[in-house]
Amino acid sequence: DTEVTQTPKHLVMGMTNKKSLKCEQHMGHRAMYWYKQKAKKPPELMFVYSYEKLSINESVPSRFSPECPNSSLLNLHLHALQPEDSALYLCASSQALNRPQPQHFGDGTRLSIL
Amino acid sequence: GESVGLHLPTLSVQEGDNSIINCAYSNSASDYFIWYKQESGKGPQFIIDIRSNMDKRQGQRVTVLLNKTVKHLSLQIAATQPGDSAVYFCAEKMGNNNDMRFGAGTRLTVKP
Repeated sequence: DTEVTQTPKHLVMGMTNKKSLKCEQHMGHRAMYWYKQKAKKPPELMFVYSYEKLSINESVPSRFSPECPNSSLLNLHLHALQPEDSALYLCASSQALNRPQPQHFGDGTRLSIL
Repeated sequence: GESVGLHLPTLSVQEGDNSIINCAYSNSASDYFIWYKQESGKGPQFIIDIRSNMDKRQGQRVTVLLNKTVKHLSLQIAATQPGDSAVYFCAEKMGNNNDMRFGAGTRLTVKP
């Protein structure tokens, strides 16, 4: 079992819906990440949070809105998504940003946009 | 732009054989690399990492080799088992923020 928990595991939504993806870790990590992974492709970085502050936004469209309410939680708010946004959304965490170390991944939320 | 890539998109091996998965990188400033394993329906799982001041690191049944001269990274799996069947990604640290960029991935299939 992964130590990074993501909910829901699956989500189907229409283009006008608003939904949120949630991620939780209790390893005391202070860096958290959102990735998008299309089928048969590698994960692509979307956002990085460090000590609950947004550190990196990889030019992600504003219909994706991240939020880090505390050091253990990371949310991704979704609004007016497009069919091409259907993908696996992965959350990851690591101890900190200032030294090289592995990121620990959750099992993702599989998102389908109708 | 600079990116991480893999030589072989698929690899099929017999159970018990050794597997070698290769990765080429082009960012000569990268100083940290990770191999991940991703099984169907799961997130990437950390296997082993290596810093640029090393050329070899061993784990349990896995070895990572780093050749900075030709910018090449490889993952060796000894006595490959059916449970090793998965997609394997190499990833390199791109900047100062532990920002990892993933290679294209290699699908390893182990035949019994």
